[in-house]
Amino acid sequence: RKEVEQDPGPFNVPEGATVAFNCTYSNSASQSFFWYRQDCRKEPKLLMSVYSSGNEDGRFTAQLNRASQYISLLIRDSKLSDSATYLCVVNDPSGGYQKVTFGTGTKLQVIP
Amino acid sequence: GAGVSQTPSNKVTEKGKYVELRCDPISGHTALYWYRQSLGQGPEFLIYFQGTGAADDSGLPNDRFFAVRPEGSVSTLKIQRTERGDSAVYLCASSDRSGGTEQFFGPGTRLTVL
Repeated sequence: RKEVEQDPGPFNVPEGATVAFNCTYSNSASQSFFWYRQDCRKEPKLLMSVYSSGNEDGRFTAQLNRASQYISLLIRDSKLSDSATYLCVVNDPSGGYQKVTFGTGTKLQVIP
Repeated sequence: GAGVSQTPSNKVTEKGKYVELRCDPISGHTALYWYRQSLGQGPEFLIYFQGTGAADDSGLPNDRFFAVRPEGSVSTLKIQRTERGDSAVYLCASSDRSGGTEQFFGPGTRLTVL
């Protein structure tokens, strides 16, 4: 089983739609979780951290389910500018530092 | 302020040649990471520096790959006897402490081995 698994998509959604991505992780000892966004041929950038209680940032909501070992990202009222690849990132507890593992990414295309 | 910079942005080389890829982290960031990203994949960890020392090089695929960070700032990733399978985007990231939450990425170096 891969350490971090994501559906690669693509998810094609119309503007204004709500879309959700899930990501599963294999190491139950992982403590830190993140969503990064990567535009085509650009570098990844932090979108948001994922906290145990769930957190929201504008149209974006991230949630963590430790029992099932998955995290999710919900995007409401999708904009054309949301089109990108969303990378699920989970810390690797075997590292004594912030070593993380990236998923393969889920591609989102918002259509006019 | 200035972000992470990487040079060159593109590198085309022939199989068997030696290449060096450079990373300038954000000033003051003590942690530096190198990743490799192939098409359709997420970044794959190669090596991590805390200061001048390589704290974790477990991601380097073989002994043709080596990285240094002699003064705790700029880092160079060195690849000897390049192979076609080394073609990828090499990303560098830095963070402000070893437990830093956010990694700031450079634009990457696209390496093509012919």
